[in-house]
Amino acid sequence: AQTVTQSQPEMSVQEAETVTLSCTYDTSESDYYLFWYKQPPSRQMILVIRQEAYKQQNATENRFSVNFQKAAKSFSLKISDSQLGDAAMYFCAYRSIMDSSYKLIFGSGTRLLVRP
Amino acid sequence: SQTIHQWPATLVQPVGSPLSLECTVEGTSNPNLYWYRQAAGRGLQLLFYSVGIGQISSEVPQNLSASRPQDRQFILSSKKLLLSDSGFYLCAWSVMATEAFFGQGTRLTVV
Repeated sequence: AQTVTQSQPEMSVQEAETVTLSCTYDTSESDYYLFWYKQPPSRQMILVIRQEAYKQQNATENRFSVNFQKAAKSFSLKISDSQLGDAAMYFCAYRSIMDSSYKLIFGSGTRLLVRP
Repeated sequence: SQTIHQWPATLVQPVGSPLSLECTVEGTSNPNLYWYRQAAGRGLQLLFYSVGIGQISSEVPQNLSASRPQDRQFILSSKKLLLSDSGFYLCAWSVMATEAFFGQGTRLTVV
């Protein structure tokens, strides 16, 4: 069974600086999707970024980018120019392509604090 | 565009009472539907998923059940709530292997 691990329960960053959130996963599959979701205090889950495992190029979305290391099974999220609105819980998630349920397997989350 | 509705937003129920949380999706057909639970400060645990009407898969043994009476309706139920059922419940949908889209969630407190 696949597992997702986020080893940083909490991270802190100064406004306008850069922070990296870590995520590792375990799978025997070669094709899959990885996601980062943001959960602000409203608790609405918001997709931040998506990475297809067959793509070697790291995904980017404005100030958000990932460092996808397939061999190491690592999928970190980099937030550049951090803003106060980035403060939230961040969840890493895995989705198998082979499993027709398309269910997401989540890590335990990292709480990001942004200092003004 | 697709939207997902989940209600109620907040619920306080006594131990031993029944539960019914409802989720509906608009703007898509034959979605996969999911119920997740999030304990305070914790990650999301998948409770149930459904790939079609009347098809329910349970991920963890528990006091809850799920039903899908219509294509875009997903219901989470309990006959008798336990204190341990308290938490934040999220409904989600997806089509194919794209990302999942989440409802606003229900905060359930069992007293």
